[in-house]
Amino acid sequence: GIQVEQSPPDLILQEGANSTLRCNFSDSVNNLQWFHQNPWGQLINLFYIPSGTKQNGRLSATTVATERYSLLYISSSQTTDSGVYFCAVYYNQGGKLIFGQGTELSVKP
Amino acid sequence: EAEVAQSPRYKITEKSQAVAFWCDPISGHATLYWYRQILGQGPELLVQFQDESVVDDSQLPKDRFSAERLKGVDSTLKIQPAELGDSAMYLCASSPLGLQGGETQYFGPGTRLLVL
Repeated sequence: GIQVEQSPPDLILQEGANSTLRCNFSDSVNNLQWFHQNPWGQLINLFYIPSGTKQNGRLSATTVATERYSLLYISSSQTTDSGVYFCAVYYNQGGKLIFGQGTELSVKP
Repeated sequence: EAEVAQSPRYKITEKSQAVAFWCDPISGHATLYWYRQILGQGPELLVQFQDESVVDDSQLPKDRFSAERLKGVDSTLKIQPAELGDSAMYLCASSPLGLQGGETQYFGPGTRLLVL
């Protein structure tokens, strides 16, 4: 089956720093979603991004489907950005989401 | 903004007991998903419904897990009997159409299960 790999697995930042999270996938996918899981476990939609670049405030994402990767940029990080960031891809069969292992981000004040 | 509702939020049970989780998707969403998330890992799909029909339950341990969505709206996931290894977060999600090409899935707050 398809492999979804995220890097780095852990990241510690000082408040105000910028970061880039990466998601690689091993096969062609229909679409891709980025989520933020807060400390209470809620998965929050960040981006639905099959290709190209999208921006939402301090966050932006870029997917290059032909090269099988996606990047999530966080600028001017805040303590509330802490949590786990997941990339999930829609594999070619149906609406099944395959998740990566996540990047755990900790932003220190 | 419409949200996916789940209950209970937390459940502690003893092994061999039965447990049930409930999910109410966003109104009008045809597709409902149950995921299991083990600590430190990403969620994994257990079962997917399109309206009241199961379209994917390949990863559901059918000897102890069952899921239903009788009227194509809310859904119940049951475990009987619970085992220690079932301790996890159980997440419900919904999407408008369940399109083959994929569409945004919206997740509920989850039910955190601890089996003692």
